[in-house]
Amino acid sequence: GAGVSQSPSNKVTEKGKDVELRCDPISGHTALYWYRQSLGQGLEFLIYFQGNSAPDKSGLPSDRFSAERTGGSVSTLTIQRTQQEDSAVYLCASSLPGTASNYGYTFGSGTRLTVV
Amino acid sequence: AQKVTQAQTEISVVEKEDVTLDCVYETRDTTYYLFWYKQPPSGELVFLIRRNSFDEQNEISGRYSWNFQKSTSSFNFTITASQVVDSAVYFCALSDTRQLTFGSGTQLTVLP
Repeated sequence: GAGVSQSPSNKVTEKGKDVELRCDPISGHTALYWYRQSLGQGLEFLIYFQGNSAPDKSGLPSDRFSAERTGGSVSTLTIQRTQQEDSAVYLCASSLPGTASNYGYTFGSGTRLTVV
Repeated sequence: AQKVTQAQTEISVVEKEDVTLDCVYETRDTTYYLFWYKQPPSGELVFLIRRNSFDEQNEISGRYSWNFQKSTSSFNFTITASQVVDSAVYFCALSDTRQLTFGSGTQLTVLP
């Protein structure tokens, strides 16, 4: 598609339930990033995928968080046993690889997760 | 480790005023990239500009201009003749080609 697509746009879940957030990057963008933005805060890096390389998971806040990217395209961020502090907007971005990526990262409109 | 500091949490100006948003960064890399993004109330992040560490030339795009100074590790953003539609959160970010580190953002409100 023309942009980065994220679904769902909004998700309300009960504490303790698992959730899956989906990201469809721009076609041809081999780099994919997940960020989290809590209310009124900046963006917190979560995980980075580049092609077939092992992902950089250094930003994942706990082992309840995991992400995968199938076929070098669509990515799913999974949060298990959700907690109220997981409530945030989860943003996905994609870019071209390497130095070309620094022409800019294109962000999706995010998934607003609310844990009640 | 990289760090981006946007000391101004909130700025409020009256329409047509000029406003400068400050950004100071820290990195040990000699090659890096700096960005500004705009996040309007709708929530999406809009790419505004990218600068690489070897290009200190200032840039102007319409009412927007950017002042990159390596000597002070700053990459400031100026909006001239501000408009109500400029109201948004503006993020400065630093990239080492792998990870994009964001500042905490500056909420700009332009009053009519």
